[in-house]
Amino acid sequence: AQSVTQLGSHVSVSEGALVLLRCNYSSSVPPYLFWYVQYPNQGLQLLLKYTSAATLVKGINGFEAEFKKSETSFHLTKPSAHMSDAAEYFCAVRGGGYQKVTFGTGTKLQVIP
Amino acid sequence: NAGVTQTPKFQVLKTGQSMTLQCAQDMNHEYMSWYRQDPGMGLRLIHYSVGAGITDQGEVPNGYNVSRSTTEDFPLRLLSAAPSQTSVYFCASSSGVDTQYFGPGTRLTVL
Repeated sequence: AQSVTQLGSHVSVSEGALVLLRCNYSSSVPPYLFWYVQYPNQGLQLLLKYTSAATLVKGINGFEAEFKKSETSFHLTKPSAHMSDAAEYFCAVRGGGYQKVTFGTGTKLQVIP
Repeated sequence: NAGVTQTPKFQVLKTGQSMTLQCAQDMNHEYMSWYRQDPGMGLRLIHYSVGAGITDQGEVPNGYNVSRSTTEDFPLRLLSAAPSQTSVYFCASSSGVDTQYFGPGTRLTVL
């Protein structure tokens, strides 16, 4: 079985401040981990993914995430928030074998001018 | 490439009606999935397919039916719509364990 926990359904940051969105996972097999972003009234699009290569993963729009096996975490960060980062962010885990994906409940990021 | 397409974009049904949500992809992906998105609950897997002719249930399959006769198409059928099925429905496809590509969604309201 696998699961994802995203801490904080809403996060507010000031423009230019650090963005930190938390994700913890559980998986009985080495996981593949993903962060997706959803802008209003749109589908999800990939920000970045961990697939057992480098533990620090860089994605689009200046985001990055670090896979920490000992902490079962895959937190998403961005050094300086931009207004265009306001969206909902989903962490997801995909175990080996079949490709069933489990999503977290999402974190809405608000960026304050 | 069109990617993943879904039709319709919006739909209003009355309780007890049936309908089919269409999903198609042109990336030759073997894996396709249907999710529903409800506020505060993230995305929940309804049904998925690992190839033409092969489907399986996700975590919330009740009230929904799927089939996969071709690689490209993966329709989702609501057998007898209920208000609890009011949601936004997303179709996604992927190749192997790689990234899922999502369609734009179908917003369904059941009265």
